[in-house]
Amino acid sequence: EVPLVESGGGLVQPGGSLRLSCATSGFTFSTYWMSWVRQAPGKGLEWVAYINQDGSAEDYVGSVKGRFAISRDNARNSLSLQMNSLGAEDTAVYYCVRHKVAVRAFDYRGQGTLVTVSS
Amino acid sequence: DIQMTQSPSSVTASVGDTVTITCRASQGVRGFLAWYQQKPGKAPNLLIHDASSLQSGVPSRFSGSGSGTDFTLTIRGLQTEDVATYYCQQAVSFPWTFGQGTKVEIK
Repeated sequence: EVPLVESGGGLVQPGGSLRLSCATSGFTFSTYWMSWVRQAPGKGLEWVAYINQDGSAEDYVGSVKGRFAISRDNARNSLSLQMNSLGAEDTAVYYCVRHKVAVRAFDYRGQGTLVTVSS
Repeated sequence: DIQMTQSPSSVTASVGDTVTITCRASQGVRGFLAWYQQKPGKAPNLLIHDASSLQSGVPSRFSGSGSGTDFTLTIRGLQTEDVATYYCQQAVSFPWTFGQGTKVEIK
């Protein structure tokens, strides 16, 4: 197993902000694309954002563009997701996921951190 | 965005049966199709990538096929530990999108 440990989830009011973090170890973090994938309660999976190895490229699902920002710190082997203007539709378990090398799929993920947006 | 549609939404089968799940893309995704298994209360795990390549450590009773817009996940010899929801995911272009999931249960 490749440890990916998410943190930073919790209860936040609508319109609020939250920053998720993902601590990694056991692999050369700086050589992998990384993403965040989320799952609303009782729902399916949704890819949220990706970032390339050096942080020079990123992309987002349309519903979070302009509100969420993915970033990485290769020196600290960590991934982050800054989430602003949160709404009820952002309530979900957020998974930090690693992209498989040279393959367009996610090969490892953390256990997830729950974000609940509610007043 | 590319829409991924799985069928059936759920399937109930007996131990030892062959289960087939299909995934259709709203436009061609070439071979950039992955399948994931999510057991109840757990995070999803990669089963198949590039439509038919088995991820390391995944039992050989799982197989994938297809290209373009139509793909299939087959479980030959269903086991009790295969009870899970299965998702397809396209990766030809961002946003990468998942199917809605197929729940597999044991009769």
